Amino acid sequence: DSGVTQTPKHLITATGQRVTLRCSPRSGDLSVYWYQQSLDQGLQFLIQYYNGEERAKGNILERFSAQQFPDLHSELNLSSLELGDSALYFCASSVNPGGQYGYTFGSGTRLTVV
Amino acid sequence: GIQVEQSPPDLILQEGANSTLRCNFSDSVNNLQWFHQNPWGQLINLFYIPSGTKQNGRLSATTVATERYSLLYISSSQTTDSGVYFCAVPGGGNEKLTFGTGTRLTIIP
Repeated sequence: DSGVTQTPKHLITATGQRVTLRCSPRSGDLSVYWYQQSLDQGLQFLIQYYNGEERAKGNILERFSAQQFPDLHSELNLSSLELGDSALYFCASSVNPGGQYGYTFGSGTRLTVV
Repeated sequence: GIQVEQSPPDLILQEGANSTLRCNFSDSVNNLQWFHQNPWGQLINLFYIPSGTKQNGRLSATTVATERYSLLYISSSQTTDSGVYFCAVPGGGNEKLTFGTGTRLTIIP
């Protein structure tokens, strides 16, 4: 157990639907990152939060949004889902925004859009 | 942004063999991590190694920050070592981790 908890582990949904992925960071970590890994693709950075505030944005679609709550857990909302959104979604956390002490990844949520 | 290249892209070895995976990065960094993604998709942190050498059992890693590369050594390979190995670095004015393209390692019994 890495200390970063992601739920659910698996999700199957239909095109056009909306889903929410949840992430609880490791205890003491203030920064949360979301990554997407499509089939046979590398890990693409989506968005970063630090202590409740958005810190950086990557290749995140407008149909996707995220937030970090006062208890530091984060949610990634994916709407108007398309087949191409099927992917592994990872959450990572670090103590500080620069990650100088390393990043810890959760076990991921496997999203399948049918 | 920062570029991260890994080699080789694919590696097929017999059980018991040794291997060296390489990670080159285009800019100076204050952190480098090696990850193993197993066949079930789990991303497992192997090493946090901004510089120097670390060892953990049959695995070891060396980062030469001044020359912008890192090496991951796997000795006496086992079938459970199969999967994709990623290196990742922050930098390029951004705090996110940039991942390399990975090395897919297949260990044959």
